This record gives sequence, C-alpha cells and structure tokens, in this order.
Amino acid sequence: SQQGEEDPQALSIQEGENATMNCSYKTSINNLQWYRQNSGRGLVHLILIRSNEREKHSGRLRVTLDTSKKSSSLLITASRAADTASYFCATGSNQAGTALIFGKGTTLSVSS
Amino acid sequence: GAVVSQHPSRVICKSGTSVKIECRSLDFQATTMFWYRQFPKQSLMLMATSNEGSKATYEQGVEKDKFLINHASLTLSTLTVTSAHPEDSSFYICSARLGAGSSYNEQFFGPGTRLTVL
Repeated sequence: SQQGEEDPQALSIQEGENATMNCSYKTSINNLQWYRQNSGRGLVHLILIRSNEREKHSGRLRVTLDTSKKSSSLLITASRAADTASYFCATGSNQAGTALIFGKGTTLSVSS
Repeated sequence: GAVVSQHPSRVICKSGTSVKIECRSLDFQATTMFWYRQFPKQSLMLMATSNEGSKATYEQGVEKDKFLINHASLTLSTLTVTSAHPEDSSFYICSARLGAGSSYNEQFFGPGTRLTVL
C-alpha cells in the first residue's frame, strides 16, 4: 500500500536553482523520511523528521513537517546536476515493527 | 552504520524457473525484515513483512505461494519467486529493522536485486 502523494511528479530546473518537493500522507505517523534514488540504483537515506519536529536541516536539504495538514516538503537549495534523481518520502507509523510506506516520488532533473 | 546486503544484484532467468534472493544484515541483528517491489518509474510497494522464526505477513494482492519468504535467522531473509513469469520482472528491495530499543522505525535498505524474466 502507498501512503500518499508527492508533487510534483516531475521537476526540471537549472543548476543553482532551488527545488521543492511536497509529500502528503493519510494516517498518523511517528516519523517521515526522505530518500533519494538514482536511476536503477538503491535508496539513499537523506533525512528523518520526527512527528514532534517541524523543521530539520541537513546541508543543502531542508525538510518541514506539518502534521495538522499531513504534509511534508523537501527543499534542495543551490541544486547541482548530481542532484538529478527520484526523491521519495516514506512514513513510519506508531505501530512497532511496521514497514515504511513510500509515496509515489518526484523525479528531479537538474540541468547544467 | 548498519549495512544490508542483497544477493544477487542482478538475475536473468527463463520463464517458469524459480529465483532466490537473499537479504542479509551484516553488522546487526534484524528481528524484522521487509520486502518491497519496484516497477520501472514507480515507487516501492511493500510486499511482505518477515519476522525471524515466524511466517511472513503478506500485503493484500501479493501471492504468498508465489513469493516464498523465509527468515530463518536474525541476519538472513530470503525471497523465492516461484515459477517466475515476465510480469514478475522488477526491482526487489529488502530492508531490515533494528531490534528492540529502536524507537523511530529505523530501517536500512539493501541495494536491490534486478530480476528479469525472459
């Protein structure tokens, strides 16, 4: 099952621009995580934000979480061609031992 | 950090054959492992939850007799795709969850296995 939607489905920007991706989910969560996946490759964990947190930073990444709206956003600042990838949000529930549920993902293309 | 490996990374087989994919947690014990499937240009879909020493729990729509999961030890889970058909061609990804005491549902993902059924 999939938790929710991400938008946009695809995003094309120029190097140096900022990229913002949004994720919405449906149920109560314990945490929300963002992953990157290069074409045909495995997942790379980017950042985890807990349900009691509203914003988190890691390098050029900024994640926000609004539990009242059941939504999160991932901002990549000063994008680089190497940021070209698919980005997925995944939610972790409060129930112990349950799997992360992934959103549909945003495909980001950064051109130089 | 916690490392999860998968073997093989890529497999091509003929229709009707069975394929086994291994998922190992290399430096930690995983009481729970998860199997996901990803079709091209799509997201990861959870197939099943595998708990050590017990039967796997399958998601709705996933055939348990076709996708056999065995979690015989705290570091190894296997997924066997039985009588594979071309529509089973996909990217299979496992993940392992740290044991008791991890409160934030930390999962560590394997690098994935690309299955192509001819």
